[in-house]
Amino acid sequence: EVQLVESGGGLVQPGGSLRLSCAASGFTFSSYEMNWVRQAPGKGLEWVSYISSSGSAIYYADSVKGRFTISRDNAKSSLYLQMNSLRVEDTAVYYCARDDGDCFDSWGQGALVTVSS
Amino acid sequence: SSELTQDPAVSVALGQTVRITCQGDSLRNYYATWYQQKPRQAPVAVIYGKNNRPSGIPDRFSGSSSGDTASLTITGAQAEDEADYYCNSRDSSGNHVVFGGGTKLTVL
Repeated sequence: EVQLVESGGGLVQPGGSLRLSCAASGFTFSSYEMNWVRQAPGKGLEWVSYISSSGSAIYYADSVKGRFTISRDNAKSSLYLQMNSLRVEDTAVYYCARDDGDCFDSWGQGALVTVSS
Repeated sequence: SSELTQDPAVSVALGQTVRITCQGDSLRNYYATWYQQKPRQAPVAVIYGKNNRPSGIPDRFSGSSSGDTASLTITGAQAEDEADYYCNSRDSSGNHVVFGGGTKLTVL
């Protein structure tokens, strides 16, 4: 069974940093592209970042470019999102999502990040 | 980056057919994927590509596309189909992903 489990969420002050992790199991992690998608409270889905299976290709939404860094460790079957210079508007549930080339076919349960003073 | 536009809310009587649409320039070049999200749950893909359903998705869900508009059709809507529905696709660059604003479906 495919499982994606996010961790690392929490409360952080504006300007602070946080690192999210996504632990994958039940599939060959190194064969899949991965994404981070977020959802602000009561709002819609927003794509955040993409990383290719090898990590050689990385893309970011304009709203986070220069502040967030996506990475992966295929040996540990883990995906990461380093979030720096956090803003109040970054408050959201962050999902990791597996990309099978056709769609985001598996999602984690999400990690809540709250940016507030 | 491009945008995808969805109607904020749609309603359908139990057992009837409903169409949810998604409009955007990128849909002229890329297929939309449709996701269903129920309260306090992660999204689930229901339609991808030309008209493909992931394993476990009922065949009452179907997709179509014409020009800059993609559509999700539910034929014979059930109470359990009440949810938020989001479309997404690649943007015009092909490197970014864009989501529509979502459509809240109410089954009456």
